[in-house]
Amino acid sequence: DAGVTQSPTHLIKTRGQQVTLRCSPKSGHDTVSWYQQALGQGPQFIFQYYEEEERQRGNFPDRFSGHQFPNYSSELNVNALLLGDSALYLCASSLRGARQGGTYEQYFGPGTRLTVT
Amino acid sequence: AQTVTQSQPEMSVQEAETVTLSCTYDTSESDYYLFWYKQPPSRQMILVIRQEAYKQQNATENRFSVNFQKAAKSFSLKISDSQLGDAAMYFCAYRSYGSSNTGKLIFGQGTTLQVKP
Repeated sequence: DAGVTQSPTHLIKTRGQQVTLRCSPKSGHDTVSWYQQALGQGPQFIFQYYEEEERQRGNFPDRFSGHQFPNYSSELNVNALLLGDSALYLCASSLRGARQGGTYEQYFGPGTRLTVT
Repeated sequence: AQTVTQSQPEMSVQEAETVTLSCTYDTSESDYYLFWYKQPPSRQMILVIRQEAYKQQNATENRFSVNFQKAAKSFSLKISDSQLGDAAMYFCAYRSYGSSNTGKLIFGQGTTLQVKP
């Protein structure tokens, strides 16, 4: 049973460029959340996708956008990259259910390390 | 808005000894979940233990246990018989409970745990 996978592992981009990060959820999961983790800090919630729609968004500018596909995989897009966007981007998947407060446990992928120069 | 605070940036423990990591949180909600996640240098965020706020009994998972003080909004993690493999960054996280919640996790700043042989 494959867990959450993310690609690429590492990425180096130049300021002003655009980047796309990809995530495949754990088998059986239908919800994908994205988090940004700056070096030495805790992850910050970016947004969550369920049924191909953005369901909740954290305090991130519109330069951050996403998409979820019918197979539940997801993409995170960041436009007009800034030096401050350098971080580890984590994807977490879960199963949205009627019990337990609406969602089950989140399982995290290994992350994509983005460096903006 | 909910907040999570970890006041210990770094902790160290001798192998086989016991260590306690602290976490406090702020919320006006009565029902919620609290988590401890472990993030080793491999970057994969791993769930260590979970506590439901409506349960008075403290959660336990093998060598890991929590001290949940709801009135004090405190949620500490105790690691017994520390092992070299416990060395990692530990994050305390909060999640709201309720049918409308999306499972967004709010993380603390993290505590780096060093285990000395």
